Amino acid sequence: DSGVTQTPKHLITATGQRVTLRCSPRSGDLSVYWYQQSLDQGLQFLIQYYNGEERAKGNILERFSAQQFPDLHSELNLSSLELGDSALYFCASSSTTGWNSPLHFGNGTRLTVT
Amino acid sequence: GENVEQHPSTLSVQEGDSAVIKCTYSDSASNYFPWYKQELGKGPQLIIDIRSNVGEKKDQRIAVTLNKTAKHFSLHITETQPEDSAVYFCAAYNNNDMRFGAGTRLTVKP
Repeated sequence: DSGVTQTPKHLITATGQRVTLRCSPRSGDLSVYWYQQSLDQGLQFLIQYYNGEERAKGNILERFSAQQFPDLHSELNLSSLELGDSALYFCASSSTTGWNSPLHFGNGTRLTVT
Repeated sequence: GENVEQHPSTLSVQEGDSAVIKCTYSDSASNYFPWYKQELGKGPQLIIDIRSNVGEKKDQRIAVTLNKTAKHFSLHITETQPEDSAVYFCAAYNNNDMRFGAGTRLTVKP
């Protein structure tokens, strides 16, 4: 068990809708990272937060946004959903600001857009 | 930015045999190289990592080697077991940028 909790585990929604994915990092970790993993694809970095502030941005679409709250949990908001947004979304946490220490991944949220 | 290539994309071995997965990176300034194992239905889990000031690191049946001159690093699993079956990802870190390889699906046949 990595200590990172993601909810919900599964999400099925229709095109055009908006969803929110939630992540609670490992106790003591200040950094939260969001990744997207499409079928048979690698891990695509979306965005990172450190102690409430955006730290780094990857290939995140404008329809997607995220935030990290004072209690350090994070939410990823996906809006105007398209079929191509169907994927596994992972949250990871670490104790440092950068990636040069181990990332601890949650078990992901599987999003299906119909 | 950094670019990481991983080979092979799939690997099938017999139980007890060794498995080797190779990755190359493009930026010589990269200095941290973790390996993650992703089992079905789970998130990736760190299994071993190596930093640029070390050439080899071993943890029981798993070892990682790093060749900074050639800019490649490899994961070695010896005496493979069916529970080693999973997707393995390499990654390279440089200057607040971490790039993952595309993954290797390892199947260990009993």
